[in-house]
Amino acid sequence: DAGVIQSPRHEVTEMGQEVTLRCKPISGHDYLFWYRQTMMRGLELLIYFNNNVPIDDSGMPEDRFSAKMPNASFSTLKIQPSEPRDSAVYFCASTWGEGRAFFGQGTRLTVV
Amino acid sequence: EDQVTQSPEALRLQEGESSSLNCSYTVSGLRGLFWYRQDPGKGPEFLFTLYSAGEEKEKERLKATLTKKESFLHITAPKPEDSATYLCASNSGGSNYKLTFGKGTLLTVNP
Repeated sequence: DAGVIQSPRHEVTEMGQEVTLRCKPISGHDYLFWYRQTMMRGLELLIYFNNNVPIDDSGMPEDRFSAKMPNASFSTLKIQPSEPRDSAVYFCASTWGEGRAFFGQGTRLTVV
Repeated sequence: EDQVTQSPEALRLQEGESSSLNCSYTVSGLRGLFWYRQDPGKGPEFLFTLYSAGEEKEKERLKATLTKKESFLHITAPKPEDSATYLCASNSGGSNYKLTFGKGTLLTVNP
């Protein structure tokens, strides 16, 4: 298996623009997570899904953030409109078992 | 609210110089304590899960231990390839899958 695949790897956008991050989890995993990593706050859980259903979105910072999982092999995290403080590395992870999450390579987002 | 604190923030060792990283946690109903390794530009990679005080796990030069309030990652005779950021995370009773991460310890091993 190729692991968790995220795209794009890098994204530079202007403030106010819509940004969409994409994730393909490992086949057979029924949990998918979106994390954000910054120097100041470390790694934070934004939202997670079980069997394509959002279970806990309490970490989503604002209404500007939304996430979907239309099927078992694809998820998106959208930021609209983007702001400079959204600059971070966004990770997608998946798992079939408690805690042992497999992470993607991340998307480094820069909002200028 | 669950809290995980790692120390030191950064550690520089000479090759072969053993040391330990600390992870203190404050959670209600710990279900698991996890260690991950993260290399620059990559996602965290799973190392260990510990479930109860007194438990130990080993992998090559790494050994993780758990008490009721903290976990240690012992590195024996480290090599330069052990250089990475080591992350600790807790999983508490509120949710099976919601991990709370510490900010990590950046380990540098000089040859």
